[in-house]
This record gives sequence, C-alpha cells and structure tokens, in this order.
Amino acid sequence: GAVVSQHPSWVICKSGTSVKIECRSLDFQATTMFWYRQFPKQSLMLMATSNEGSKATYEQGVEKDKFLINHASLTLSTLTVTSAHPEDSSFYICSARGRFAYNEQFFGPGTRLTVL
Amino acid sequence: AQTVTQSQPEMSVQEAETVTLSCTYDTSESDYYLFWYKQPPSRQMILVIRQEAYKQQNATENRFSVNFQKAAKSFSLKISDSQLGDAAMYFCAYRSANTGNQFYFGTGTSLTVIP
Repeated sequence: GAVVSQHPSWVICKSGTSVKIECRSLDFQATTMFWYRQFPKQSLMLMATSNEGSKATYEQGVEKDKFLINHASLTLSTLTVTSAHPEDSSFYICSARGRFAYNEQFFGPGTRLTVL
Repeated sequence: AQTVTQSQPEMSVQEAETVTLSCTYDTSESDYYLFWYKQPPSRQMILVIRQEAYKQQNATENRFSVNFQKAAKSFSLKISDSQLGDAAMYFCAYRSANTGNQFYFGTGTSLTVIP
C-alpha cells in the first residue's frame, strides 16, 4: 500500500519559536495533501487542504499566517507552526491522496508537538 | 457541511466475540464514499474498510464487514472473531464523490477487547 511519512515524529520547542513538520509520500505522487490536528481522545480536525503548486485552502478558524503550508512538489508538503504557543501543542497528522480509484487518503504516522 | 455521528464513545467486546460499531451521517448527496479507519495507540490511521454509496452490496474485508443502509444513512462496522489487536479508536468517515476532497470524520469509538 501507499506510504506516507512524517518528520519529526515528536518535537518540543520553546514558546515563540517556529516549527516545521514535513509530510512525504514515499511511493506515489500526492496530488492533494491534508493537514489535521487531533487533541487527546478527540477526532481529527481538518486544518487545510493543499494541492501541488497551489496555495493551501484553510478551514474556517485556522489562522493561515500561523500555520504555513507549502506543497511544493508531488511528494512533499510542509506545515510550519510560526511563533508557537503552548495552546498549539497537539498531534498533527498529514494525509495524502493520489490518483486512485477509491479516493481514499493515506495517513502519515503523525507528529506530536509540545510547546513549552 | 456533512456531519458524521458515532453515538458510542466506548465499546468493549470479549475476545473471539462479535461487536458492531454504529455510524450515521447526514448528507443531501447521492454519490459519496464511506470509510472506517482504525487508530491504535501508535496513532497511525489505518484504513479498515470502504464503501461506495452506489454499491448496494455491503463491503467485506476478512473479519470486518459493514451494514450500509443508504436510505437510513447508516454505516455500521461489524468485527467478527475479535482479536486483542483490534483494540483501538475507530473513526467513521464520509467523503463526497463530487465536491472537493475533504473527509468528514466522526468523533470516534474506543474499542476495548477483553481477553
């Protein structure tokens, strides 16, 4: 099956710093990538959708200047949390979708962000 | 926006027994896809099973099967011969076949398998 990786898997940073999370599709071309945020024991909340070479589409309530998303190639998308604060601490999951028949998404293993 | 409801926050099942997880959804569309995802403690989302709305036949994947009732907008997951490795959070998800790529997830059901 299709594989999606995320790096890093866990990051701790100081308040006010920026953190970049990478999402890569390893064996397929991801025409669309999605970024989710998940709080403990809660569902996945879609933050934004990005198509390769285009600007990301952010969900209502998600600050685009705080959560910068870049989808520069068909195998890589990055999420940068700028000027991170403790309330940004969460589990961030990316998923990718290629040109498949069943329209499913393949999920990365997630990144746990802790902001001190 | 479409909504997906999972009314069972927690469920438990004895090992080797059968359990059914409920999911209902609200949509005005006729063409869409439904999915069940499993999220074990590792937090990696794993696709369990998928169903195309235009197919009347219920999807089956080994011990996992669904009961898709389109008119009732119901999509339950049945796990037969439950195993310890089935313990996880299970999320039901909806995706339109026509508008956008977005998945709508339910709130999840935490499944415990009792040895």
